[in-house]
Amino acid sequence: DQQVKQNSPSLSVQEGRISILNCDYTNSMFDYFLWYKKYPAEGPTFLISISSIKDKNEDGRFTVFLNKSAKHLSLHIVPSQPGDSAVYFCAARFQGAQKLVFGQGTRLTINP
Amino acid sequence: EAGVVQSPRYKIIEKKQPVAFWCNPISGHNTLYWYLQNLGQGPELLIRYENEEAVDDSQLPKDRFSAERLKGVDSTLKIQPAELGDSAVYLCASSGGGTYNEQFFGPGTRLTVL
Repeated sequence: DQQVKQNSPSLSVQEGRISILNCDYTNSMFDYFLWYKKYPAEGPTFLISISSIKDKNEDGRFTVFLNKSAKHLSLHIVPSQPGDSAVYFCAARFQGAQKLVFGQGTRLTINP
Repeated sequence: EAGVVQSPRYKIIEKKQPVAFWCNPISGHNTLYWYLQNLGQGPELLIRYENEEAVDDSQLPKDRFSAERLKGVDSTLKIQPAELGDSAVYLCASSGGGTYNEQFFGPGTRLTVL
């Protein structure tokens, strides 16, 4: 049972445009959501997060939106840059726990 | 500040052989995690340590996998004997507390079992 799902295995976006990565979850007990970015041969790197009590968090070019009623979150990257090409993982944390549940990842490719 | 260190980075072994992975977390981080990442999938937690105590090992296949974190710092994950299906990337992460307790990952060890 996949509790965190990223339904798009890959996404291709032109440089300068907006990249939107999506993530759905099924468990309403998640209270904190994170996005990680992963380059080849490296471990995932924390990018941005959002608490379940908020609906938006912004950090420079990166914004995460949370729609609790739809159990959906998205990561917006504006403007997209070639260095943003990587695999992006959505992760969720259970209330009061340290365990993270990860989605399958979305490979983002930024085309010049 | 040094990040999470893992070794080896790559390991190729034949099935039924033993293998061990080593992790050194970020200094001062009390929580250490071992994750398994299969190709095309996200990381899946194998075991979590709080200092030297394994507080969540429910996903660790205990018939062939073992882990230890002596003195609450470095950790070793072992597989004995390895099977073909164990080919994957083994990630170590650590966290240091705080409100949201973000996890910081090492580069991983890519294991290939032939």
